[in-house]
Amino acid sequence: GQNIDQPTEMTATEGAIVQINCTYQTSGFNGLFWYQQHAGEAPTFLSYNVLDGLEEKGRFSSFLSRSKGYSYLLLKELQMKDSASYLCAVLGFYNTDKLIFGTGTRLQVFP
Amino acid sequence: ETGVTQTPRHLVMGMTNKKSLKCEQHLGHNAMYWYKQSAKKPLELMFVYSLEERVENNSVPSRFSPECPNSSHLFLHLHTLQPEDSALYLCASSQDWPSGLAGGGLEETQYFGPGTRLLVL
Repeated sequence: GQNIDQPTEMTATEGAIVQINCTYQTSGFNGLFWYQQHAGEAPTFLSYNVLDGLEEKGRFSSFLSRSKGYSYLLLKELQMKDSASYLCAVLGFYNTDKLIFGTGTRLQVFP
Repeated sequence: ETGVTQTPRHLVMGMTNKKSLKCEQHLGHNAMYWYKQSAKKPLELMFVYSLEERVENNSVPSRFSPECPNSSHLFLHLHTLQPEDSALYLCASSQDWPSGLAGGGLEETQYFGPGTRLLVL
């Protein structure tokens, strides 16, 4: 079967660092995506990892370990506007070639 | 603004109504998708079109009927829906449909429209 797990909710303080974890079990793997979704809005693409290691993009970084079926999204210098849901999604290949989403992690940033 | 637009943004309909959702992408992509997003559930893939041909139909009830007249437009026709169909319906597009070849993932990045919030009474 295919399964993606991420925490349901997290809270953090403005200016802090937060790490959102995602573990996955899929029958194929062709990359992992992170999306940000503000309430009532479209998910927007944040990052894509297909090789092990850390990808950095400004305040956001994403890490992947394929052997452990694990990824995290790291958000630094948190701002109030970072309050949103963060969706982890895995792209399979061959017979599982579609994007499978986790339920999302709702992050609330407090002043 | 992701280059994917959806109309209407909000829709209230009775169970006997017929309505259509529209999606348009201005990105020159070849694949388009319909997703359903319900509270506290993962995004559920409903339909995928690649180059105007349906390549995926995830056991969606026949009261949902997709149409893809060209690679820029995608419709979802709704007929005799149930209250449990109330949800956010998201359209997305990507450069390519997942081809099953390793390493092609970035071209399959999906860009989403703002969604249609549907309420079935």
